[in-house]
Amino acid sequence: KAGVTQTPRYLIKTRGQQVTLSCSPISGHRSVSWYQQTPGQGLQFLFEYFSETQRNKGNFPGRFSGRQFSNSRSEMNVSTLELGDSALYLCASSRPGQGSNTEAFFGQGTRLTVV
Amino acid sequence: GQNIDQPTEMTATEGAIVQINCTYQTSGFNGLFWYQQHAGEAPTFLSYNVLDGLEEKGRFSSFLSRSKGYSYLLLKELQMKDSASYLCAVMDSNYQLIWGAGTKLIIKP
Repeated sequence: KAGVTQTPRYLIKTRGQQVTLSCSPISGHRSVSWYQQTPGQGLQFLFEYFSETQRNKGNFPGRFSGRQFSNSRSEMNVSTLELGDSALYLCASSRPGQGSNTEAFFGQGTRLTVV
Repeated sequence: GQNIDQPTEMTATEGAIVQINCTYQTSGFNGLFWYQQHAGEAPTFLSYNVLDGLEEKGRFSSFLSRSKGYSYLLLKELQMKDSASYLCAVMDSNYQLIWGAGTKLIIKP
């Protein structure tokens, strides 16, 4: 079956602009999480969506937002881009429900560069 | 606050054994995961521990001590393709994954 698909793979934006990233989870997976990855900082949790509802949220400013559609596809939006937003944005999907041994499957990520 | 600590970088020789440590302080504990991430690629699942002890899976083993807030990933018979970053993540009481910054493993011939 198809894996987690993120689009676009690469993006260059100017400071002050806004950007929308897309994630299509594995078929049947209803949980989608978003992460920001920068060198030396590791994976920083942005938010998690389950059945179109935000279930968890990390410590990011309100410029970062997301949503999930009825088909479990998710989008995240960053408004008023700053240079520090340059990073790899990863999406991960997992099986239905909330189990502790739920393995997360990652997409290839979107590399965002803000200039 | 919640914190996951791993060494930033390690170097090992092809054919040898390497142990990557991870210590954690989290709000609750619902399991610990290890992921492998090659440069430019997505992280992929390696192992999951929720009970104390050693879990072996081929050349890779993962150990957990909940009382010490400690885990390690043991890689045996190292191959060049094992050069990657290894990420430790703990699932907290809210079933949220808390990630370490990752350990970059460099394998030398």
